[in-house]
Formats: sequence, C-alpha cells, structure tokens
Amino acid sequence: QQQVKQSPQSLIVQKGGISIINCAYENTAFDYFPWYQQFPGKGPALLIAIRPDVSEKKEGRFTISFNKSAKQFSLHIMDSQPGDSATYFCAASKDSGGSNYKLTFGKGTLLTVNP
Amino acid sequence: DTGVSQDPRHKITKRGQNVTFRCDPISEHNRLYWYRQTLGQGPEFLTYFQNEAQLEKSRLLSDRFSAERPKGSFSTLEIQRTEQGDSAMYLCASSLGGGLQFFGPGTRLTVL
Repeated sequence: QQQVKQSPQSLIVQKGGISIINCAYENTAFDYFPWYQQFPGKGPALLIAIRPDVSEKKEGRFTISFNKSAKQFSLHIMDSQPGDSATYFCAASKDSGGSNYKLTFGKGTLLTVNP
Repeated sequence: DTGVSQDPRHKITKRGQNVTFRCDPISEHNRLYWYRQTLGQGPEFLTYFQNEAQLEKSRLLSDRFSAERPKGSFSTLEIQRTEQGDSAMYLCASSLGGGLQFFGPGTRLTVL
C-alpha cells in the first residue's frame, strides 16, 4: 500500500522555468509534509516543509502548496537552475501525539534542468 | 562536520556474510532512524530509536537484521547471512524530538 503517491516520475525543464512536482497522501493522520532533495550518492537533504494549518509556504525559489481537503501537496521551483537537477522526494509523517515521526516517502521525481 | 555520519560509505560482501554499519547522529539528537533505499525508490522506514530504546521495527526488518543504540549515542545495524535482495543504500537520520530529520550520506551495500 503506497501511502504517498508522487508524480511525475521524471521532469525536464529549461533554465529559468518553473518545475512542479505533485504528491497525494492517503493517511489523514499525517500532519507534517517535508520535501527532500537528493543528489547521486548522497543522503536526502531537507528543502522545505509544511504543516496542514497553512496552504502555502515559500522559502526562496521553493514553494509548497497544500490542499488539505484534496489530500494533495506540491513543490514549485521557480527560476529553475541546472544546479537544481536532482531527485526530489515528498514525504509525510504524523508529527504529534507522541508518535515516532517516521517518514513515509514518495517514489521520487528526477528533475533535469537544461541550460 | 556536525552532521550525521555513517561508516562505511560502501560495502561489498558475498552472499551469506554478516555486515555491520555504524551511524553517528547529530550530537544531542535523541531520535535515530534507519531507512533503506533501493534504486529508483524513496527511502523506506526500517526502525526507530528514542535514546537507547528501540521503539518500532518495520515488517521490512527480518530476523536477520538487528539494530542497537547503546547509551543513546551511535547506532549499529547488523545484517546476518546477507542475501542479494539486501543490496541497497542504508540511510540513517536523526532528529531532536520532532519530524525534522537530518539524513547521513548513507552506506551503499552490494551483495554478490
């Protein structure tokens, strides 16, 4: 049972364009939604995270949009750069009530930004 | 470097051998997680420690796998009688009481 579904599997964007990656979750107990960036041979690095009490969070060129009723959230990368080329993972966890906060990840999106 | 460290970074072993990986979390982080990542997939949760107590194990963690976190500091993950299906990246993450988890660089295991 895949609790977090991520799309697209791969994405090619021109430099300066907008990259959009979408995720949907099933477990309504999830209340913490981070996005991680991973380069080949490296561990995932936290990019930005959101909680369901807000609909949008922006940090620099990265924005998360969150739709609680649809159980969907997305990552927007503005002014995409070749250095953004990496695999992006959405994740979700239950971050309250004494839970263990384990992360459930999507399958990842390989982003390629062409110069 | 004050981030999460893992050792070794790469391990090649023959089927049937035992292997042990080490993770050093960020200092004072009380929570430590092990995940496994196979090619083209997202990390999957294996097990979780709060201080020295192992509080949850995934069904992915067969009897051949064991993890410890003595004294609530570093952690080890041991795989006995390795199988080719164990080939993966083993990731360690730590956090201080919340969902914000910091990952190490991982240990890439190849079982021949």
